[in-house]
Amino acid sequence: QVQLVESGGGLVKPGGSLRLSCAASGFTFSDYYMSWIRQAPGKGLEWISYISSSRSYTNYADSVKGRFTISRDNAKNSLYLQMNSLRAEDTAVYYCARVSPRIPVAGLFDYWGQGTLVTVSS
Amino acid sequence: NFMLTQPHSVSESPGKTVTISCTRSSGSIASNYVQWYQQRPGTSPTTVIFEDNQRPSGVPDRFSGSIDSSSNSASLTISGLKTEDEADYFCQSYDSSNLVFGGGTKLTVL
Repeated sequence: QVQLVESGGGLVKPGGSLRLSCAASGFTFSDYYMSWIRQAPGKGLEWISYISSSRSYTNYADSVKGRFTISRDNAKNSLYLQMNSLRAEDTAVYYCARVSPRIPVAGLFDYWGQGTLVTVSS
Repeated sequence: NFMLTQPHSVSESPGKTVTISCTRSSGSIASNYVQWYQQRPGTSPTTVIFEDNQRPSGVPDRFSGSIDSSSNSASLTISGLKTEDEADYFCQSYDSSNLVFGGGTKLTVL
C-alpha cells in the first residue's frame, strides 16, 4: 500500500532553516510527480511546490519562491523540502503528496502523508 | 493569480442534500479541472471529486461535482447526508503556473 511519511519538522527561529523529508513506499516513486502542501493552524490548504518525476521540472508558489527548494532522490524513494529564511507565517503542517499521473500539473493529489509540523517562532 | 472563493460554512440535517460552491476570480472555470478534497478533523485530506465530476473508487455516489460557466464556479453536492460527512471541504484548480486551493468550507451535519 502507498505510504508517505514526512519528517524533519520542529521549532525554528525566524530567519532559520529546516529540511523536511518524505519517505515513500508502496509504489514506483520515480514514476510520479510529487508535491508539498501546507496548512497553517486552523487554516486552509496552500500548495507550495511540485517536482517532476525525473527532477527536470519544479514549480513554486510565489509565497516561497526563492526561499524553499524542492528536490528528490529516486534511488532513496525520498522527497525533500529545503526551507530557508523562515518566517512566522511559514508556521504550518507540511504535507507530502503524490501527484496523480492523469494530468500532473492539475494538482490531483491521490495520496497524502500525515504531515509534519513546522513552527517558526523566537 | 486567481482565487477560489468558498462559503466559510454550511450546515444541513442528515438525509438532506447540500451544495458547496467554489467561484473562480479570473480565468474560466471550465479551462482547468477542479478537484474537491475532504478533510476530517485531525486527518490528511482525501479526494472526493477530481476532474470536475469524477469520483475516485471508494467514494460513494452521494458525492457529485459540476461546473457552471455562467457563474464561473464549481459545485460539490452531497446527497443523503450522513454524520460522517461532517468535515472541511476544499476545492482546488490550477492555471499555467499555479495550483490554488479554495479557503475551505466547514460542513456541519446536525
